[in-house]
Amino acid sequence: GAVVSQHPSRVICKSGTSVKIECRSLDFQATTMFWYRQFPKKSLMLMATSNEGSKATYEQGVEKDKFLINHASLTLSTLTVTSAHPEDSSFYICSARASGGGGRENEQYFGPGTRLTVT
Amino acid sequence: GQNIDQPTEMTATEGAIVQINCTYQTSGFNGLFWYQQHAGEAPTFLSYNVLDGLEEKGRFSSFLSRSKGYSYLLLKELQMKDSASYLCAVRDSSGYNKLIFGAGTRLAVHP
Repeated sequence: GAVVSQHPSRVICKSGTSVKIECRSLDFQATTMFWYRQFPKKSLMLMATSNEGSKATYEQGVEKDKFLINHASLTLSTLTVTSAHPEDSSFYICSARASGGGGRENEQYFGPGTRLTVT
Repeated sequence: GQNIDQPTEMTATEGAIVQINCTYQTSGFNGLFWYQQHAGEAPTFLSYNVLDGLEEKGRFSSFLSRSKGYSYLLLKELQMKDSASYLCAVRDSSGYNKLIFGAGTRLAVHP
């Protein structure tokens, strides 16, 4: 099956610093990538939709200046948490949808997640 | 608005059958997905329904009724490793076909 990687898998940073998380589709091209965050024992909350070559679309209540998303290529999207605070500590998961054709547009694959702890 | 409801927790016995229900109300509909998620891991795809009816895949089956805004995931011959959270997600056609997730159902399988 298709593989999506995330880096780093785990990061601890100090309050006020910025952290960048990378999401890569390893064996397919992804026009669209999604960023989610998940709190313990809760479901995935969609933060933003990232389209290659255009600005990300953020969900209501998500600060676009705090969570910077860049989708520079068909295989890479990055999420930067700027001026991180302890309340930003969470599990961040990216998801990539294969580019169209052959029914693959129905397939959406998730990365292994990045656990961010802000101290 | 968007609303996806599923039970918070369920328990079942090894070897038994369990049905996890999901009801939804979304602005647009372009398919319903079920994912399995073990603690600390990413969700893994289980099933996809876009037309009414039952989709069977091994021990797992998923049913959809679009008119009722209802789906269920059926797990047969339960194994201990099936203990996990099961997430119902609707693809919302009103914007980028994004997946909107329910809160998830934590299933505990006992011997």
